[in-house]
Amino acid sequence: GAVVSQHPSRVICKSGTSVKIECRSLDFQATTMFWYRQFPKQSLMLMATSNEGSKATYEQGVEKDKFLINHASLTLSTLTVTSAHPEDSSFYICSVGSSGGPQETQYFGPGTRLLVL
Amino acid sequence: EDQVTQSPEALRLQEGESSSLNCSYTVSGLRGLFWYRQDPGKGPEFLFTLYSAGEEKEKERLKATLTKKESFLHITAPKPEDSATYLCAVKGAGNNRKLIWGLGTSLAVNP
Repeated sequence: GAVVSQHPSRVICKSGTSVKIECRSLDFQATTMFWYRQFPKQSLMLMATSNEGSKATYEQGVEKDKFLINHASLTLSTLTVTSAHPEDSSFYICSVGSSGGPQETQYFGPGTRLLVL
Repeated sequence: EDQVTQSPEALRLQEGESSSLNCSYTVSGLRGLFWYRQDPGKGPEFLFTLYSAGEEKEKERLKATLTKKESFLHITAPKPEDSATYLCAVKGAGNNRKLIWGLGTSLAVNP
């Protein structure tokens, strides 16, 4: 399967600042990456689908102006949490789709823990 | 509405005590059922994909099976290192590439 990295693994920031999280596909050219958020004791929640060279597709209820996604290359997608607030504190995880076809499997990065003070 | 329900919510086993985790699903046109393992503070690790009823896949002490309504993850003679949360997800014909996730089963294996 695909090997995916994320940076940073953990970040603490002050309320009102912006934070950028990087997701890299290390051994696979990913035209599509997925961004998830996971709260304690809850399931993974898809935030958006990131497409290389085009605009991301956001899930209902996710503010695209707050969670900026850039997928500038086949190996890198970034998620920027703008004007972060304590309620944005969560575990953010990206994944890479293996093929885009009917038998696609998603491979996940190690996640980024965001704490907004 | 597409839905995934996992049971039990938590399971505690003694080392060597075999058991099964359940994933019940409702989806329009199953395109795949996925099992992942998630350790605390980590991203999900891919285990298996099952595509059609009757299919089985095996990896070390884990075996996944699939029917038209549910999937089981059988754990044979578990070891403490098998302790983790096991997540089940499905992809349906109407969901494009989106996965529908269960809440997971938290497994603890005592030595």
